[in-house]
Amino acid sequence: AQSVSQHNHHVILSEAASLELGCNYSYGGTVNLFWYVQYPGQHLQLLLKYFSGDPLVKGIKGFEAEFIKSKFSFNLRKPSVQWSDTAEYFCAARIVSGGYNKLIFGAGTRLAVHP
Amino acid sequence: EAQVTQNPRYLITVTGKKLTVTCSQNMNHEYMSWYRQDPGLGLRQIYYSMNVEVTDKGDVPEGYKVSRKEKRNFPLILESPSPNQTSLYFCASSRRGSSDTQYFGPGTRLTVL
Repeated sequence: AQSVSQHNHHVILSEAASLELGCNYSYGGTVNLFWYVQYPGQHLQLLLKYFSGDPLVKGIKGFEAEFIKSKFSFNLRKPSVQWSDTAEYFCAARIVSGGYNKLIFGAGTRLAVHP
Repeated sequence: EAQVTQNPRYLITVTGKKLTVTCSQNMNHEYMSWYRQDPGLGLRQIYYSMNVEVTDKGDVPEGYKVSRKEKRNFPLILESPSPNQTSLYFCASSRRGSSDTQYFGPGTRLTVL
């Protein structure tokens, strides 16, 4: 079955540290990939998305993600995190096959950034 | 202001008492969806709708019903809630399909005793 895996459930960093959150999906066909962020007490917001073209995607707030097809991965990165990046991050994959059209989320990674 | 609204935001109920969580969007989006969020499991899709009168099951549809009689509304119905449906529920909408950016509602925290 199709799935999205996020390797780290909890990540703790100090401000200015670099961030990389792993995301792998299991599906051999065409996928669209997303990263969403959920700040404490708020709803999900889109950080960035990949459909096609340049595999390095830049999103809001200095985040970027790289799609590596051979590794079925879409890792999220930020060179220098801030305290305000404390949030839960969700990777998602849209699977389209015939009449099947579904968005599958990973379990999420909770990031805590300490000043 | 473009938004997705959900009501109620918080609800405590008892097993077996039918309830409806409303969802409304003002962006004329065709695609709407319901998710539940549980710790360690992320978001799991309950039902989705590609357009008016077109609905389909997601990953965890058991115990839920939906309807899409109007484009803007997509209520989630729990005919006989059980404690395992205690969760945080999110409604989302997008312009066409799930490939478009989804706009999420503020969430409904449901507790079933």
